[in-house]
Amino acid sequence: SAVISQKPSRDICQRGTSLTIQCQVDSQVTMMFWYRQQPGQSLTLIATANQGSEATYESGFVIDKFPISRPNLTFSTLTVSNMSPEDSSIYLCSAPTSGGARLSYNEQFFGPGTRLTVL
Amino acid sequence: DAKTTQPPSMDCAEGRAANLPCNHSTISGNEYVYWYRQIHSQGPQYIIHGLKNNETNEMASLIITEDRKSSTLILPHATLRDTAVYYCIVRVGPGGTSYGKLTFGQGTILTVHP
Repeated sequence: SAVISQKPSRDICQRGTSLTIQCQVDSQVTMMFWYRQQPGQSLTLIATANQGSEATYESGFVIDKFPISRPNLTFSTLTVSNMSPEDSSIYLCSAPTSGGARLSYNEQFFGPGTRLTVL
Repeated sequence: DAKTTQPPSMDCAEGRAANLPCNHSTISGNEYVYWYRQIHSQGPQYIIHGLKNNETNEMASLIITEDRKSSTLILPHATLRDTAVYYCIVRVGPGGTSYGKLTFGQGTILTVHP
C-alpha cells in the first residue's frame, strides 16, 4: 500500500509563531489534501494542493493563514501561520494513490497526522 | 456530496459480527459509498467502497440496499483492534469535480469488548 509520512509528528508552539508541516508520499500523485481534526471532532478539509497550480481552499480557510506549497508530485507543505490556541489540532495530509494492482485506484491514504498544541 | 447519518456509538463482543449502519437517502446516481475508520491517534484507513453491488474484501463486507439509500458495513469477526471510529462517506467517483475530497461526518464509535 502507499505510504504517506509527515513531519513533525507533534509540536508545541507559542502563540503568534508559525509551523510548517511536511508531507511526503512514496509515489507520484496529482492531488494532495490537507485536513484538520480539532480535539474530539471529525476531519475537516482545509485545501487541495495541486502540483503546478495554487492550492484550492475550502470555505473558512484562507491562504494567508494556511499557505501551502506543492513543489513536486510527491511532496507538499502546510504552514499554520500566526498561531493561536484555537489552531491546536491534528493536521493530516492525504492523497488518492494507485498503490499497485491489488488496490483500487479509488483508495485514499492518510498520513499519521501532526499533533499541534499552541500555548 | 450527499450527507450521511450514522449512530454515534455501538458495542460489539469480540469474535461476533459488527454491523454498522449508514443512511444516505440523498445519494445521487454517480456517488459511491465509502467506509473509512480511524483508530485512536492514527490517520483514517480505507476499508471498502461500492456503488450499488455488495462488496467484500479481506477487511469487511459492504451491503448496499437496492434503492441505495442505506448501507451496512459488516466486520465478520470483530477483534479488540477493530475498536475505532467508523466513517461512512458518500462521494463522486473518478472524473467527478470533487473527486478525492472526503467529507467526514461524526462517524460511529465502535467499541469491541472481550
